[in-house]
Amino acid sequence: DAGVIQSPRHEVTEMGQEVTLRCKPISGHDYLFWYRQTMMRGLELLIYFNNNVPIDDSGMPEDRFSAKMPNASFSTLKIQPSEPRDSAVYFCASSPGGGNQPQHFGDGTRLSIL
Amino acid sequence: GDSVTQMEGPVTLSEEAFLTINCTYTATGYPSLFWYVQYPGEGLQLLLKATKADDKGSNKGFEATYRKETTSFHLEKGSVQVSDSAVYFCALRLDADKLIFGTGTRLQVFP
Repeated sequence: DAGVIQSPRHEVTEMGQEVTLRCKPISGHDYLFWYRQTMMRGLELLIYFNNNVPIDDSGMPEDRFSAKMPNASFSTLKIQPSEPRDSAVYFCASSPGGGNQPQHFGDGTRLSIL
Repeated sequence: GDSVTQMEGPVTLSEEAFLTINCTYTATGYPSLFWYVQYPGEGLQLLLKATKADDKGSNKGFEATYRKETTSFHLEKGSVQVSDSAVYFCALRLDADKLIFGTGTRLQVFP
């Protein structure tokens, strides 16, 4: 079975550019999570969706960040304009339900903003 | 607020040594507890979980017991292998749907 698929795996771009990260969750999973991982701050939850609806975006750092889930099989995380401090590994995860259901992670997008 | 505290790494061991990675939590309710593992260049994978007090989660030789009295969920393995080298994350989940992760503990196992 296909797992959570993220693209691109690596992104290098210059400060000020728009960055779009993509995620395809596991089919049938109705929860989708976006995380950011850095050495300094560890793993941070940015936003999560249930049935394509954003439930909690309190972790989104600022207005430059936005996330959408137009349908059950696709989500994007956009940064506009990007800044060097946004450099991190961004993970998408999905789960088949809340509570005790485990989250399944993608392999992440390593983002470098120059 | 709710939080998870893990021992700082790296933890460096020789192959076949005994492993303990400490994890304690603070929560207002009765959380479910998880251990996730992250291998280099990959996302996190669920290693084991426990949903109520005194439950023991186990997988691939790893074990952890949900101790309500000490609010702990320490990860143990009797004999580590080089292939166990990874970063291990303790996490809790309350009524809300999101996980609260610890900072992670890097394990390095040498032959």
